Amino acid sequence: AQKITQTQPGMFVQEKEAVTLDCTYDTSDQSYGLFWYKQPSSGEMIFLIYQGSYDEQNATEGRYSLNFQKARKSANLVISASQLGDSAMYFCAMRVNSNYQLIWGAGTKLIIKP
Amino acid sequence: DTAVSQTPKYLVTQMGNDKSIKCEQNLGHDTMYWYKQDSKKFLKIMFSYNNKELIINETVPNRFSPKSPDKAHLNLHINSLELGDSAVYFCASSRSFEGSEAFFGQGTRLTVV
Repeated sequence: AQKITQTQPGMFVQEKEAVTLDCTYDTSDQSYGLFWYKQPSSGEMIFLIYQGSYDEQNATEGRYSLNFQKARKSANLVISASQLGDSAMYFCAMRVNSNYQLIWGAGTKLIIKP
Repeated sequence: DTAVSQTPKYLVTQMGNDKSIKCEQNLGHDTMYWYKQDSKKFLKIMFSYNNKELIINETVPNRFSPKSPDKAHLNLHINSLELGDSAVYFCASSRSFEGSEAFFGQGTRLTVV
């Protein structure tokens, strides 16, 4: 079965600290993509970062990086130097290329404390 | 310019009514989606269209009918609204069905009373 697991329903982090949001996935497909999205309280879904299963380098986008450990089937999001504006829900998602459907995790609510 | 725009942002309506949510993308993408986000924040795909052709049709009541007049538009029509339809509905698009990230609209919060 294809599944995304985000084990942290919520996190409190002090401003300026680095944050790691956990995501593990389960699929028997060899070709897949992993995504992270941010959903602030305003409700919109914002794409953050993407990692393909065959990408050898970990994806990075500004303060966001994806710690991809294929053997462990984990795709953790790392936010460096957290800011108050990072407070939001964060969703991990997987697209399996055999059917191209996006499978979503339950999300992690991140709260940055000043 | 808004890449994926959906209207209305809020929709409050009575049970039994029929309503539509419109979605337009100006990204030139081939694929569009409708997602439902329930009260527990779980996102579930409902439909996907690729070049106006229905590709994904998940187990959704047939009261929900998507319509894609052209590649840039995917509207969602809901008949005989029920209390359980209350949720946030997201439209999204991606460059292709096999493409990478999906870009989302701002969501439509539907409340059925």
